[in-house]
Amino acid sequence: EPEVTQTPSHQVTQMGQEVILRCVPISNHLYFYWYRQILGQKVEFLVSFYNNEISEKSEIFDDQFSVERPDGSNFTLKIRSTKLEDSAMYFCASTGDNSNYGYTFGSGTRLTVV
Amino acid sequence: QKEVEQDPGPLSVPEGAIVSLNCTYSNSAFQYFMWYRQYSRKGPELLMYTYSSGNKEDGRFTAQVDKSSKYISLFIRDSQPSDSATYLCAIRNTGGFKTIFGAGTRLFVKA
Repeated sequence: EPEVTQTPSHQVTQMGQEVILRCVPISNHLYFYWYRQILGQKVEFLVSFYNNEISEKSEIFDDQFSVERPDGSNFTLKIRSTKLEDSAMYFCASTGDNSNYGYTFGSGTRLTVV
Repeated sequence: QKEVEQDPGPLSVPEGAIVSLNCTYSNSAFQYFMWYRQYSRKGPELLMYTYSSGNKEDGRFTAQVDKSSKYISLFIRDSQPSDSATYLCAIRNTGGFKTIFGAGTRLFVKA
C-alpha cells in the first residue's frame, strides 16, 4: 500500500537553529499538508499546499515557517529559528484531490528543541 | 466554545465489548466527518469518513453523524486488544483545506 515517508524520525536541535523536515508524499497525490502535535495535545493544522503554492495556513504558521516542493517528489517544512515551543511531532499528509474524505499521514518527525 | 470536543478518556473495556466513542462540534457548516486511529508515536490512520448525517459501516466499525445535535459517534463491535489506540474525530468544511481534530480518546481493550 502506498505510504507517506518522513525523515528523519527524530531530530534534536539547539534553540535558534534552522531545521528542515522532509516528506515524500504518495506519488500521484496533489495536495500536501503539515500538521503538528505537541505532546499530549491535539493534532493541529499548519499549512496546506497545492499547485506549488500555499492554499491555506494557520495562525501557528508564522514567518518562521516555510514549505517547499523542491522537486517532483519531496515536500519540506523549514523552521528558520527554532524555539523551545516548536518541540512536537510534525506530520506530513497528502491526498489525491482536495479530498474531504481524509488524508494519508506519514509516521511523523519528532522535533526536540533544546 | 471549542470547534470540536472529545472526551480524552481513558476508556477501558474487556475484549469483545461494544465501544462507543463520541464527539460534539460547534459549527453547523461542517459537512465532512472522519475518524482516525493513532497508535503511540505514529501518524493518524484514517478509519472512517461520512458526509452530512447518517450511518456508515465498515466491518466492525460504524460511524454515525447527527447534524441536528452536532454529534458524531464511532462504534466498535467485538473489540480486540489490537484496537487499543487513541481515536481522533475530525471535521472539515466543504471546500476547505483544514481538518480540525478532536483531542482523541485513549482506548484500552483488555484480553
